[in-house]
Amino acid sequence: KAGVTQTPRYLIKTRGQQVTLSCSPISGHRSVSWYQQTPGQGLQFLFEYFSETQRNKGNFPGRFSGRQFSNSRSEMNVSTLELGDSALYLCASSLGTSGVGTDTQYFGPGTRLTVL
Amino acid sequence: GNSVTQMEGPVTLSEEAFLTINCTYTATGYPSLFWYVQYPGEGLQLLLKATKADDKGSNKGFEATYRKETTSFHLEKGSVQVSDSAVYFCALGLNTGNQFYFGTGTSLTVIP
Repeated sequence: KAGVTQTPRYLIKTRGQQVTLSCSPISGHRSVSWYQQTPGQGLQFLFEYFSETQRNKGNFPGRFSGRQFSNSRSEMNVSTLELGDSALYLCASSLGTSGVGTDTQYFGPGTRLTVL
Repeated sequence: GNSVTQMEGPVTLSEEAFLTINCTYTATGYPSLFWYVQYPGEGLQLLLKATKADDKGSNKGFEATYRKETTSFHLEKGSVQVSDSAVYFCALGLNTGNQFYFGTGTSLTVIP
């Protein structure tokens, strides 16, 4: 069974630009969550999607948005990039039936975003 | 609020030493608790989990017991190997509101 895939693996953008990251979950998984990992703040929850609906959102500004498609693939968009958005962005998929509180999440390798 | 606090690293141990990584939590509801591991150059992997008080999660020789009275979920292994060198993250998840919180991670290096 293929794991969680994320594209692209690396991105370099400049301040003010926008970026879209993609995540393909494990087949059969209907929940996709996104996390930001930085040396200073650690791993922080961005949002979770289940059946094309956002079920919860972390404490991030509105510049961070996402969506999920009918095949459970998810995209995350960051607009008006800032230097502080440089991070590793991880997505995780799970069955979604119980919620992130109990479901096992399977993580992708991440997308390394660098903002210059 | 909800949060996870784990012991700061880095931790360096000799092969076959006993490992403890402390983790405590604060939660408004009834969380499930997790340990994830990140090996060098790889993504996060679930190591073990416990969904209710007094549950013990175990995997690959690692164990952790969900202690509600001390709000703790300490990770232990009796005899570490060089291959256990990685960063370990304690985490809590709440189905109410679908919230998930990670600790800051503890880097472990095991030397032969």
